Amino acid sequence: QKEVEQNSGPLSVPEGAIASLNCTYSDRGSQSFFWYRQYSGKSPELIMFIYSNGDKEDGRFTAQLNKASQYVSLLIRDSQPSDSATYLCAVKRSWGKLQFGAGTQVVVTP
Amino acid sequence: DAGITQSPRYKITETGRQVTLMCHQTWSHSYMFWYRQDLGHGLRLIYYSAAADITDKGEVPDGYVVSRSKTENFPLTLESATRSQTSVYFCASSESGQSNEKLFFGSGTQLSVL
Repeated sequence: QKEVEQNSGPLSVPEGAIASLNCTYSDRGSQSFFWYRQYSGKSPELIMFIYSNGDKEDGRFTAQLNKASQYVSLLIRDSQPSDSATYLCAVKRSWGKLQFGAGTQVVVTP
Repeated sequence: DAGITQSPRYKITETGRQVTLMCHQTWSHSYMFWYRQDLGHGLRLIYYSAAADITDKGEVPDGYVVSRSKTENFPLTLESATRSQTSVYFCASSESGQSNEKLFFGSGTQLSVL
């Protein structure tokens, strides 16, 4: 079992719809969780981080964390073609390290 | 411009050669990291450093060497390149190792070992 798991996709989403991305992690002691977006051929860029159970909203993005279920998700509302990218879930480890999932590819179709 | 820069952007080398990938950051961040990214595996940590002269292995360190004599530089050396080291390499930095501290990534080095 991988320590951080994501569905690889691709996740096809109509323009204007909600994209829902899921991530599960194995270490119950994990405290902080990050979502990065990566366009093809580019480096990852941070979208959001979350460390408390519940929802955290930033513009069209909402991160949801459920530590009891070891589950973190990202919702993208009103999806745009520019949201087409790979979304990486990451869990903070000791010494500032991030452990990443393999990423979910999102394709927003006009 | 301030930030984190990697060089070269692209590198082609042959099996058995030594290759060094450079990483430089201007923020004076304490922590620096090297990741490799391969299809299906996401980003995997090779080595990290908490400060100058403090380095430690990550998830996939075999075949790699790092040094950090100055805070701003964190070079990654492939001592004898193998085809399995063909990958995209990302350097990253963060100000501290605190739980909410984000990582800033360089633009990456695409390495091909023939």
